[in-house]
Amino acid sequence: GAGVSQSPSNKVTEKGKDVELRCDPISGHTALYWYRQSLGQGLEFLIYFQGNSAPDKSGLPSDRFSAERTGGSVSTLTIQRTQQEDSAVYLCASSLGGRTTDTQYFGPGTRLTVL
Amino acid sequence: QKEVEQDPGPLSVPEGAIVSLNCTYSNSAFQYFMWYRQYSRKGPELLMYTYSSGNKEDGRFTAQVDKSSKYISLFIRDSQPSDSATYLCAMSEINNAGNMLTFGGGTRLMVKP
Repeated sequence: GAGVSQSPSNKVTEKGKDVELRCDPISGHTALYWYRQSLGQGLEFLIYFQGNSAPDKSGLPSDRFSAERTGGSVSTLTIQRTQQEDSAVYLCASSLGGRTTDTQYFGPGTRLTVL
Repeated sequence: QKEVEQDPGPLSVPEGAIVSLNCTYSNSAFQYFMWYRQYSRKGPELLMYTYSSGNKEDGRFTAQVDKSSKYISLFIRDSQPSDSATYLCAMSEINNAGNMLTFGGGTRLMVKP
């Protein structure tokens, strides 16, 4: 079946603008994750959804970042008033459940460049 | 100091060589260890996972965990040009609500024909 998809694949924006990044998880996966990958850095956990609720928002770097998930499926990560340090690849992953043993399947990412 | 340390490389080897990739970690609560492979402009994909200390083999790949030293390794035998990618170690606590993974920074591997 289809894997995790993300859109757009690339986004170039000007400093101060808002951006929305979309993630379509694998059908039937209840858990969804957002990570950020900066040059030379590992994947940094941002937020986790179980169904439509986000029990763990501890990884969001600032209040400019927010995320929602609707219908237990699609998720949107919104970054307001973008800054140059927000430039990174934003990766979404989904898993069947939220257990340690549930493999996380990653999408191809959205490459965000803030000028 | 990061929770998980990984040499960024790049590591360049000739085709057919044995490759050793390593990570060290500081959190003794980590019990579940994974290796992901990431090709350029793609998302990471899970290669191997293990819970316990010791070795786990899958084809040309062997994952090794030494919890006493907080050290994990991935060995690739008979390396191929198609193995050229970035390899990320990841780990989590067993009772980790939400399955949050902590990743190393990744090691870039280049296998030359």
